[in-house]
Amino acid sequence: GENVEQHPSTLSVQEGDSAVIKCTYSDSASNYFPWYKQELGKGPQLIIDIRSNVGEKKDQRIAVTLNKTAKHFSLHITETQPEDSAVYFCAASGDEAGGTSYGKLTFGQGTILTVHP
Amino acid sequence: DAGITQSPRHKVTETGTPVTLRCHQTENHRYMYWYRQDPGHGLRLIHYSYGVKDTDKGEVSDGYSVSRSKTEDFLLTLESATSSQTSVYFCAISEASGGNNEQFFGPGTRLTVL
Repeated sequence: GENVEQHPSTLSVQEGDSAVIKCTYSDSASNYFPWYKQELGKGPQLIIDIRSNVGEKKDQRIAVTLNKTAKHFSLHITETQPEDSAVYFCAASGDEAGGTSYGKLTFGQGTILTVHP
Repeated sequence: DAGITQSPRHKVTETGTPVTLRCHQTENHRYMYWYRQDPGHGLRLIHYSYGVKDTDKGEVSDGYSVSRSKTEDFLLTLESATSSQTSVYFCAISEASGGNNEQFFGPGTRLTVL
């Protein structure tokens, strides 16, 4: 099955700096890669996703890049703010929810991001 | 927020007792999932459902069973709880429309098995 590795496990930055979190995956059939943010005491929430036919996607201060050849993808947060402090998870899926994988996600281990004011 | 509730939100139980966690949605989404979250492991899929009475195992299904008798409810049962099942459990829902894979997560249930 799919295996997703996420690094680093903790990341500490100063407000205004950029933060980068990296993930690698093992199954070349995976074609959907979401990123989730989890705040303390809450469930994860999708912040951005990318599909295998796209190399980069951006949404304001957040961007995701995908290298299918190397099987890795990364989350980039620019101009970090204290409210960006949370746990971030990457994930991979082999098919959309209507396909045979039923939208199942394999998650990375998570990164605790702390943004210091 | 997506209409997902989980009950109970917190539970303490003893080894060997049965436990049932409930996930309820008001979104009429077809797919429902149960995950457990443990430090250093991220979220791991326990079981999932792709329709009423249609369920299948995830990567960490041993010791767990599920049932889905109607679209809105997905139950997770620990037949005989063990200390290794102490965890935070999350339910998620998803709808396959236009290739939309987004999963919406509930608030979680913190389970402690003594």
